[in-house]
Order: sequence, then structure tokens, then C-alpha cells
Amino acid sequence: DADVTQTPRNRITKTGKRIMLECSQTKGHDRMYWYRQDPGLGLRLIYYSFDVKDINKGEISDGYSVSRQAQAKFSLSLESAIPNQTALYFCATSDLTTGRGETQYFGPGTRLLVL
Amino acid sequence: QKEVEQNSGPLSVPEGAIASLNCTYSDRGSQSFFWYRQYSGKSPELIMFIYSNGDKEDGRFTAQLNKASQYVSLLIRDSQPSDSATYLCAVNPDRGSTLGRLYFGRGTQLTVWP
Repeated sequence: DADVTQTPRNRITKTGKRIMLECSQTKGHDRMYWYRQDPGLGLRLIYYSFDVKDINKGEISDGYSVSRQAQAKFSLSLESAIPNQTALYFCATSDLTTGRGETQYFGPGTRLLVL
Repeated sequence: QKEVEQNSGPLSVPEGAIASLNCTYSDRGSQSFFWYRQYSGKSPELIMFIYSNGDKEDGRFTAQLNKASQYVSLLIRDSQPSDSATYLCAVNPDRGSTLGRLYFGRGTQLTVWP
């Protein structure tokens, strides 16, 4: 089945370490997104990419970087992890078809703990 | 700043009742509206989307949109314990370079008790 996958699913790291979260999709969608979710704060957009050559900052991009290696792959990096980046991270994809908004499909999430 | 507001709940209803979830948004020009369901520890999954004023029904779910009042609601009829989850409202302002971005509310936690 066409799907959105994220690796790793769980990660524990220490303050100051560099880590990468990866997202792959087989839906053939052009658009990919990275969100983080914290209890009581909902989903907040970190970065998004509308195609391989297009990268945009979201609401909370500080401390993060991304790489769109191919249409199907979108990676999120924490250059120097800090404890307040402990959160649940979701990748999502979408395909603009109607010109009136679109449905986003979410991966299973990566639970990150920064000690 | 585009804001999407939801009552955080928890909203608790008995099995078989109607659950009503509400959402307001700040960007008057918003065009597309989505309801996602998220079980604890899982990823959000789409329940419904609505573009036009009025009601849209899909099984036990009805989305209602009132653009003049800037609110969108989700009704769940014949609520079941399996409906217990957090419901996220999302809005797409659908303009220019931000086309495709969704702005999410913080979610309303629903509990359906047997």
C-alpha cells in the first residue's frame, strides 16, 4: 500500500548531539511537511517543501534544518539537540489536485527524547 | 497570525449520544477546512473536509461550516466508545505561496463512556 514511513520510530539522544529523522513516502505526492506535537500545543509546522527544489520555513524552524533528497524523501535534522526539542514528530504529505486545499496524510511519528 | 481555536475539553458523552465539536478560525479568507481524529500515541487521520457553507454528511459524521461566523463544527451521531480520541480542526487559508499549508487547532479530547 502507498504509505508514509518515518525512521526511527523512537529515539533517545543527549543534549548537543546531531540527529536526523527521515521520512519516505510512496504516495507520489509532491508536497511534504514536518510537524512537531507537544502535549496541549497541537501540531506546529517546522518546515515544508512543495517540490524537490522548494524548501520553506514553518512556524518553529529555529534549531532545525531539512533536506529534500528526492520527491519521496524529506529529512529533518536537529543540529545540536536540546531538551525542549523533546516531542512527537510527524511527517506528512499532500497532493494538490483541486486548487482548493488538500488533504494531508501523516506518517506514524517519531518520538524523540533529548536528555 | 492565523489562529485556529478549539475547546480543549475533555468532552465527555454517553454512548449513543451526539458529540458536538467546535472550531473557530481567524483568517476570514480561509477556504478549506478539515477534521482529523488522533488516537493517543497515533498519527492524525482525516475524517472529513468541507469547502462550502452548510452541512456535509459522511456516515455518523456531519461537518458544518459557517464562513460568515468563521466557525466549523463536527457532529458525531450515535457516539461509540471507539470514537474516544482527540479531534483536530485544521484550516487552509489557500492563498498564494502558502497554498497547501494547514493551520491546526490544539484539539478537543472526546471521551465516550459506555
